[in-house]
Amino acid sequence: QVYLVESGGGVVQPGGSLRLTCVASGFSFSDSGIHWVRQAPGRGLEWVSFIRFDGNKKYYGDSVKGRFTISRDNSKNTVFLQMNTLKSADAGVYFCAKDPGGTNPPESWGRGTLVAVSS
Amino acid sequence: QSVLTQPPSASGTPGQWLYISCSGGASNIGTNYVYWYQHLPGAAPKLLIFKNDQRPPGVPDRFSGFKSGTSASLNIGGLRSEDEADYYCASWDGRLSAVVFGGGTKVAV
Repeated sequence: QVYLVESGGGVVQPGGSLRLTCVASGFSFSDSGIHWVRQAPGRGLEWVSFIRFDGNKKYYGDSVKGRFTISRDNSKNTVFLQMNTLKSADAGVYFCAKDPGGTNPPESWGRGTLVAVSS
Repeated sequence: QSVLTQPPSASGTPGQWLYISCSGGASNIGTNYVYWYQHLPGAAPKLLIFKNDQRPPGVPDRFSGFKSGTSASLNIGGLRSEDEADYYCASWDGRLSAVVFGGGTKVAV
């Protein structure tokens, strides 16, 4: 059974920073890419970022390029999303999700962690 | 504005067939696989269809996917009240080097 558990969400002021964590279990983590996807209140799903199994390839959505950084620690089955210069538009639920292999959308998802950006 | 286009809502009565469309372009659906998800409020999105028309274990065969050219569809047969949810299509976009989602379709039964 694939498990993905996100944490690190909370309330942050505009311009502030937050680091999200995704801990995985139930599959070969070091062989799997991981995505971050978010959902703003009342809006649809928006893809945020992807990191390849070895950490050597990373992709970002246009709305977060230059502000967010994805990384991973395969020794701890963990992926991080460092979010800087946060804006109100970054608020929402952030999901981490397992890549099925190749350049494809995710397959298994976590339940998400909530990020609020407010002064 | 989503890269993939879905109708914002769809509805049907129990037992009916429902069809949700997803329109894209050459750089996404035209050359890559389509995935479909069911999402209930407060829950993790659930994969319904992968690689255009494949069902993961445990997904009822009432759900089926189809792709042709730069468009795809999710078909739900024998509609049930528990099918009320938001449905999203997604694909990899080679030009953007990104996963792109449709805007989502809210299904009412």
